[in-house]
Amino acid sequence: SQQGEEDPQALSIQEGENATMNCSYKTSINNLQWYRQNSGRGLVHLILIRSNEREKHSGRLRVTLDTSKKSSSLLITASRAADTASYFCATRTDGGTSYGKLTFGQGTILTVHP
Amino acid sequence: GAGVSQSPSNKVTEKGKDVELRCDPISGHTALYWYRQRLGQGLEFLIYFQGNSAPDKSGLPSDRFSAERTGGSVSTLTIQRTQQEDSAVYLCASSLPTLHTQYFGPGTRLTVL
Repeated sequence: SQQGEEDPQALSIQEGENATMNCSYKTSINNLQWYRQNSGRGLVHLILIRSNEREKHSGRLRVTLDTSKKSSSLLITASRAADTASYFCATRTDGGTSYGKLTFGQGTILTVHP
Repeated sequence: GAGVSQSPSNKVTEKGKDVELRCDPISGHTALYWYRQRLGQGLEFLIYFQGNSAPDKSGLPSDRFSAERTGGSVSTLTIQRTQQEDSAVYLCASSLPTLHTQYFGPGTRLTVL
């Protein structure tokens, strides 16, 4: 089963607006990552936030992590039509035999209208 | 070389046939992962290889699924006696062991008729 759960499942906004996507997870993590997927094919890594970090920025992206609530959010500011894609959060667990794998959420489909 | 490559990009097969999907990771990446993504869903972890260690097969859905990694590089995912529910995009990713970012290939879209 998927550890990460994202909401909303779908988000439709106008160009220039901000888009916020949320992710919740269940178990202790080493880090949480956000990926983007265009047209149902390969994923592109966007940003990684470690369990001891609370906020991280990369260009127009801002990620927050609240380990007490086991949740994260991805904010895309000043959105563009080219940001239209599916966005997934993925968690990497904290050691053990499952150390190497990522557990993905179901994703949020973002549509940015020009 | 560039990124992770996968072949074929699309595969249509008949129920009951065996299929082999190939993944060429980024040169130097010792970790390799296979995921499955059904239409409109997130990624399901299948199997993980790290160097010469025993692979983590905990995500393989049945004994019809197997994977190997020869020479620490190229990997093949084999699905025997395919079923319609095996239809999905199969994604491969690789990474360096000390880093946490996985680099994904374009995937193989498998359709079982």
